Amino acid sequence: AQSVSQHNHHVILSEAASLELGCNYSYGGTVNLFWYVQYPGQHLQLLLKYFSGDPLVKGIKGFEAEFIKSKFSFNLRKPSVQWSDTAEYFCAVNYGGSQGNLIFGKGTKLSVKP
Amino acid sequence: NAGVTQTPKFQVLKTGQSMTLQCAQDMNHEYMSWYRQDPGMGLRLIHYSVGAGITDQGEVPNGYNVSRSTTEDFPLRLLSAAPSQTSVYFCASSWGSLNTDTQYFGPGTRLTVL
Repeated sequence: AQSVSQHNHHVILSEAASLELGCNYSYGGTVNLFWYVQYPGQHLQLLLKYFSGDPLVKGIKGFEAEFIKSKFSFNLRKPSVQWSDTAEYFCAVNYGGSQGNLIFGKGTKLSVKP
Repeated sequence: NAGVTQTPKFQVLKTGQSMTLQCAQDMNHEYMSWYRQDPGMGLRLIHYSVGAGITDQGEVPNGYNVSRSTTEDFPLRLLSAAPSQTSVYFCASSWGSLNTDTQYFGPGTRLTVL
């Protein structure tokens, strides 16, 4: 079955630490990949997305993600986190293009200590 | 633009009661969708619509009905609420397919069924 795995349920970092959140998907064909973020008390918003081209995607607020097809991964990174990055992060994968389904991961809660 | 709005923000129901969650968008988006978010489960698609008069089922449609009489509105109806429907419900809209285009989410409705 098509699935999306986010390995870390809760990550706790100090400010200025580097961040990497894992996301793996199960399908070997064409996929579209997204990272969404939900700040406390706010609604989900798009961080970045990948459809094709350069596998290193840059998003808002200094986030980036790298698509590694051979590893079925789309990990989210940020070189130096801030307290304001405290949020829940969701990876989402579309299997099958416009006719397929969008599957969300279970989310990773990031807590950044000031 | 108000973006995607949802009402109510909170709701408590008794088992067997019915209610409608409202969702509206003012961005003239063709695609709209409803998700539920449960702890440790991520977001799961309930129903979606590709335009006025057209709806389809998502991953977890049982117990929910939708209709799309206008481009702007996409209400979600619970005909006979059950405790298993306790969740946070998000409405989203997008220009293109919900699987390939950026989705804009509403603030959510927190529903408790006793």
